[in-house]
Amino acid sequence: AAGVIQSPRHLIKEKRETATLKCYPIPRHDTVYWYQQGPGQDPQFLISFYEKMQSDKGSIPDRFSAQQFSDYHSELNMSSLELGDSALYFCASSMDRGGTGELFFGEGSRLTVL
Amino acid sequence: AQSVAQPEDQVNVAEGNPLTVKCTYSVSGNPYLFWYVQYPNRGLQFLLKYITGDNLVKGSYGFEAEFNKSQTSFHLKKPSALVSDSALYFCAVVYSGAGSYQLTFGKGTKLSVIP
Repeated sequence: AAGVIQSPRHLIKEKRETATLKCYPIPRHDTVYWYQQGPGQDPQFLISFYEKMQSDKGSIPDRFSAQQFSDYHSELNMSSLELGDSALYFCASSMDRGGTGELFFGEGSRLTVL
Repeated sequence: AQSVAQPEDQVNVAEGNPLTVKCTYSVSGNPYLFWYVQYPNRGLQFLLKYITGDNLVKGSYGFEAEFNKSQTSFHLKKPSALVSDSALYFCAVVYSGAGSYQLTFGKGTKLSVIP
């Protein structure tokens, strides 16, 4: 069965650089989420999209932005990177706007900021 | 605010023994509770959920969880642990945001099953 696809899996950037992460949700899922998981931390909700429209914002820094495209893939853009942005970034998708609580997570993109 | 707490950072259990990973919740209204598992450098995988109905919920890989309203708990259990169960386990609660439902996770419990 198709799963959530994230790219790249690993990314190394310098401080103040820009990074873009991509997510391809499971077909026919209507909601996409971005989560950030710092080392030894629980995943923190960043932002979500429902039917290509931003639906909720969590603890996403102003330096970050995201969008969902007509083909339903989503991109998380991170600018002016800081050391503290080093984390595992997960994309997840779900049906029914996530009301079932069953989110399907990608394998994550590990960002390292040097 | 909806939240869950996992009081144990780590749980060690011998292979073949029963395991319990604890979770307590604080929610307004009826709780929608979940367990997810994360293997090293992998994404989170859904294990089971409680919405309504039977307090004992069965999920993937032989895991089950018991919803206890009086104790506001949702502990994850398995009768006989396997070494392959060693992973990070997250309890979560769903809440309704402005546009979609979202999950709030506990801090996670690292389960180590010792051969």
